[in-house]
Amino acid sequence: AQSVTQLDSQVPVFEEAPVELRCNYSSSVSVYLFWYVQYPNQGLQLLLKYLSGSTLVKGINGFEAEFNKSQTSFHLRKPSVHISDTAEYFCAVSENDYKLSFGAGTTVTVRA
Amino acid sequence: KAGVTQTPRYLIKTRGQQVTLSCSPISGHRSVSWYQQTPGQGLQFLFEYFSETQRNKGNFPGRFSGRQFSNSRSEMNVSTLELGDSALYLCASSSDGRAGGEQYFGPGTRLTVT
Repeated sequence: AQSVTQLDSQVPVFEEAPVELRCNYSSSVSVYLFWYVQYPNQGLQLLLKYLSGSTLVKGINGFEAEFNKSQTSFHLRKPSVHISDTAEYFCAVSENDYKLSFGAGTTVTVRA
Repeated sequence: KAGVTQTPRYLIKTRGQQVTLSCSPISGHRSVSWYQQTPGQGLQFLFEYFSETQRNKGNFPGRFSGRQFSNSRSEMNVSTLELGDSALYLCASSSDGRAGGEQYFGPGTRLTVT
């Protein structure tokens, strides 16, 4: 069975600074990887996903992530954050079915 | 195109009661999944329906059940509510239910059990 570990529960960052959210996964088979964002009192919104091919994936709102198979990681990055990026971010993995297994989440707080 | 809608948005129930939550997927989507979100356990998969058939089920007791109708709308039911069932229940829809396909989440139903 797959599992996901998000290495940071909280990440404070200043506006216009870069941010990296770390995600490691474990699985015995090939996986699909996702990053979702959740704003207060809302559902989840997909930021980006890795299915196959290029290991650098670009998503919405200036986010990108890099898949590293040898390190079983899928870290999310943004070069310059805005106040509006304050939210909770979830890394998720699925194997050969539709079920998503989520990490515990990382709360990003952007300060002016 | 309208997004995934969930009703009601907020619900307060008493221990021992039962509750039914509803999810209307995006028009044309045939797969609906349900997730429970709590501060302690995070996001956990409940079940997934595709064309009225349950294809996948998470590790939850039998008190949690669901169904999907011919128009793809889905309901989940929790019987004999416990305090620990207090959570945000999210549903997600996708067009074809392929592994790796994008799932669109609704805003959730916040259930409080007292």
